[in-house]
Amino acid sequence: DTAVSQTPKYLVTQMGNDKSIKCEQNLGHDTMYWYKQDSKKFLKIMFSYNNKELIINETVPNRFSPKSPDKAHLNLHINSLELGDSAVYFCASSQMYGNYGYTFGSGTRLTVV
Amino acid sequence: GESVGLHLPTLSVQEGDNSIINCAYSNSASDYFIWYKQESGKGPQFIIDIRSNMDKRQGQRVTVLLNKTVKHLSLQIAATQPGDSAVYFCAENNGAAGNKLTFGGGTRVLVKP
Repeated sequence: DTAVSQTPKYLVTQMGNDKSIKCEQNLGHDTMYWYKQDSKKFLKIMFSYNNKELIINETVPNRFSPKSPDKAHLNLHINSLELGDSAVYFCASSQMYGNYGYTFGSGTRLTVV
Repeated sequence: GESVGLHLPTLSVQEGDNSIINCAYSNSASDYFIWYKQESGKGPQFIIDIRSNMDKRQGQRVTVLLNKTVKHLSLQIAATQPGDSAVYFCAENNGAAGNKLTFGGGTRVLVKP
């Protein structure tokens, strides 16, 4: 009954590989997000989708491609992984309007070797 | 540009004492602020929020103060407990950018028994 669930929790892969992280929310929210947390704990938004439509697309390399098959799912695909992609990636969801906070998933720790 | 400034210091607190965590923000258009708590290996968890038409809001053992004049936000934790040990983030939302939350850098709170 986890509200925002991400898989996998840990991902270790070699440079140059392509990998995906999946996210699902069962809160009925209409907006989902991907955040990246670096080694200094800084959280930075990457993307957001509202009802399957891309709303926010920060300055992120185009090797990162989000996909939202429906409003309850937002997956993140990363091509040609680089060492600098190593971080913890968090999925979150919220309602778009009304100034509500996000509910975060537990994160995916990506390590590129 | 918009930013929420919060260096990553470590606040050591004796169990039972009160904790105060501070945060400065630079976007005067922000109208909604949130404090999050992140425990090791977990995603950020909502603690308390405040809208810009308020200057104080209280929850269970936590109080958030907002000073719009100097663009300052603080979180007070009363009678700090070992379970309060975590990294705390403030976040701001200006409502115009797709419900985008901009996070500060975090403060680590260590509770000493």
